[in-house]
Amino acid sequence: DAGVIQSPRHEVTEMGQEVTLRCKPISGHDYLFWYRQTMMRGLELLIYFNNNVPIDDSGMPEDRFSAKMPNASFSTLKIQPSEPRDSAVYFCAARDRVTDTQYFGPGTRLTVL
Amino acid sequence: TQLLEQSPQFLSIQEGENLTVYCNSSSVFSSLQWYRQEPGEGPVLLVTVVTGGEVKKLKRLTFQFGDARKDSSLHITAAQPGDTGLYLCAPYILTGGGNKLTFGTGTQLKVEL
Repeated sequence: DAGVIQSPRHEVTEMGQEVTLRCKPISGHDYLFWYRQTMMRGLELLIYFNNNVPIDDSGMPEDRFSAKMPNASFSTLKIQPSEPRDSAVYFCAARDRVTDTQYFGPGTRLTVL
Repeated sequence: TQLLEQSPQFLSIQEGENLTVYCNSSSVFSSLQWYRQEPGEGPVLLVTVVTGGEVKKLKRLTFQFGDARKDSSLHITAAQPGDTGLYLCAPYILTGGGNKLTFGTGTQLKVEL
């Protein structure tokens, strides 16, 4: 298995533009998590899904952020409109319920100018 | 809001030295995980501790879970440059935590030759 795949790896955009981050989780792992990492705030949970259903989105900073999981093999995190303070590394992680291990993707480094 | 503290924030040592990093909270953890993150990558699980007082060893790494399940420590013996990275503790918090981990801000370790 290739592990969790995220795209793009790097994204540079201008303030006000829409940004879509993509994640392909590990097959059979029924929990999917979106995190944001910054130097100031560390690794923060934004939202997580179980069996494609959003369970807890209390970490989503504001209405500009939205996430979807249309099927077990794909999820997106969208920011519209983007702002410079959204600049961070965004990680997607899939959880193996048997071993209780979260497998992280390589992350998307987002820079909003 | 549960407060999770990791200390020290930064640690720079010479190869061969020993070190200990700490993870503390006022909340009781149902279990706790330690992750290591290398630059440009996502965190990777090192260990899960579940029982108060539990000690687990992973080669030169020793993990301890506090008796009251509110704290944990990671001790590295004879550190090597390959141990360089960000060490994150991530507990499942007993009350209201659900299926989500709360990550500390981490200890950035640099081991120099």
